[in-house]
Amino acid sequence: DARVTQTPRHKVTEMGQEVTMRCQPILGHNTVFWYRQTMMQGLELLAYFRNRAPLDDSGMPKDRFSAEMPDATLATLKIQPSEPRDSAVYFCASGLTRQGYTFGSGTRLTVV
Amino acid sequence: GESVGLHLPTLSVQEGDNSIINCAYSNSASDYFIWYKQESGKGPQFIIDIRSNMDKRQGQRVTVLLNKTVKHLSLQIAATQPGDSAVYFCAENPSNDYKLSFGAGTTVTVRA
Repeated sequence: DARVTQTPRHKVTEMGQEVTMRCQPILGHNTVFWYRQTMMQGLELLAYFRNRAPLDDSGMPKDRFSAEMPDATLATLKIQPSEPRDSAVYFCASGLTRQGYTFGSGTRLTVV
Repeated sequence: GESVGLHLPTLSVQEGDNSIINCAYSNSASDYFIWYKQESGKGPQFIIDIRSNMDKRQGQRVTVLLNKTVKHLSLQIAATQPGDSAVYFCAENPSNDYKLSFGAGTTVTVRA
């Protein structure tokens, strides 16, 4: 089965450090999402791309988060500098627009 | 077992019984809806989707019902099994956007 691959699966970092999370969407999928999941807020949409173009990143703290798709096989989410409140599970999802979306297994980020 | 009203965060159901999970969506412009299942430590997994030109869609042991008049979505699981224990999310997609927005989720626990 085709799958969305996220790396790393787990990341522990110190406050102030840069964190980069990577996502390999399913080949051929034209829509890519980044979500953050916490117990308090549930699944929050951070940013999404269609055909590699960023469509909406209003869910991200602009001063510290950035999302890019350097090519069709890679999406990245960076946090610089990281803060303890960024601790969460970050999910990437991909799909063909409005035809179902497949999620990766997530990156569990802990900022200490 | 059934989650009563618009949304209950937890649902306990006897193995073999049918489960009904309810979801209220907020955006009148939403015309595409997806149900996801999330098991502990994993990403959300696509279960079934429905478009607004339908009011019912069936899959294997699952049925989704859509009531656009009251903006309500439900997921019915027939003959609930222990493997159905998970958190279930509904997600909506407006016709004028590619954004996929999630509800708070319902935790389903299957009693043996």
